[in-house]
Amino acid sequence: KAGVTQTPRYLIKTRGQQVTLSCSPISGHRSVSWYQQTPGQGLQFLFEYFSETQRNKGNFPGRFSGRQFSNSRSEMNVSTLELGDSALYLCASSFLQSGTPQGDTQYFGPGTRLTVL
Amino acid sequence: DQQVKQNSPSLSVQEGRISILNCDYTNSMFDYFLWYKKYPAEGPTFLISISSIKDKNEDGRFTVFLNKSAKHLSLHIVPSQPGDSAVYFCAAEVYSSASKIIFGSGTRLSIRP
Repeated sequence: KAGVTQTPRYLIKTRGQQVTLSCSPISGHRSVSWYQQTPGQGLQFLFEYFSETQRNKGNFPGRFSGRQFSNSRSEMNVSTLELGDSALYLCASSFLQSGTPQGDTQYFGPGTRLTVL
Repeated sequence: DQQVKQNSPSLSVQEGRISILNCDYTNSMFDYFLWYKKYPAEGPTFLISISSIKDKNEDGRFTVFLNKSAKHLSLHIVPSQPGDSAVYFCAAEVYSSASKIIFGSGTRLSIRP
């Protein structure tokens, strides 16, 4: 089974620009979550989508948005980029079977390294 | 407000010895805990998990211990191997139909020969 894929792997943008990152989850997984990883802050939760609906949102400004398509693929958009947005953006998918006591194990993609100049 | 804390940013352990990574949490509603391992330029990889109804879970060289009263979680790796050198994240969630996983800031484990 193919893992989570993210494109592009690396991206360089300038301040004020916008960027769109893409994530394809593991086949059959319906939940997609996005995280920002920076050296000082670790992994910060951005948002989670399930069946094309945003179900959870972290504490990020409205410049960060996302969406999920009917095939569970997800995109994340950051508008008006700032220098502090430079980070590794990780996407994770999970099956999220309701009623399962094991909880929700997420499987991560390799990430997109965004550099804002 | 950091709900999941890993207070040691780095740890160095000799090969063959035990590595102990620690994690503290503040939200008593968390009922599922996970450890992830991350190599540079790769996404985190799921390692081991534990439900709040247990206090220990083993998988090969990896054992996770949960102390609910202390709100403390630890990962033991025995024996430590060079390939274990990575960043380890602990994570916690309140299991529901709309789960949100909270990660710690990570601990960089280095295994020295």
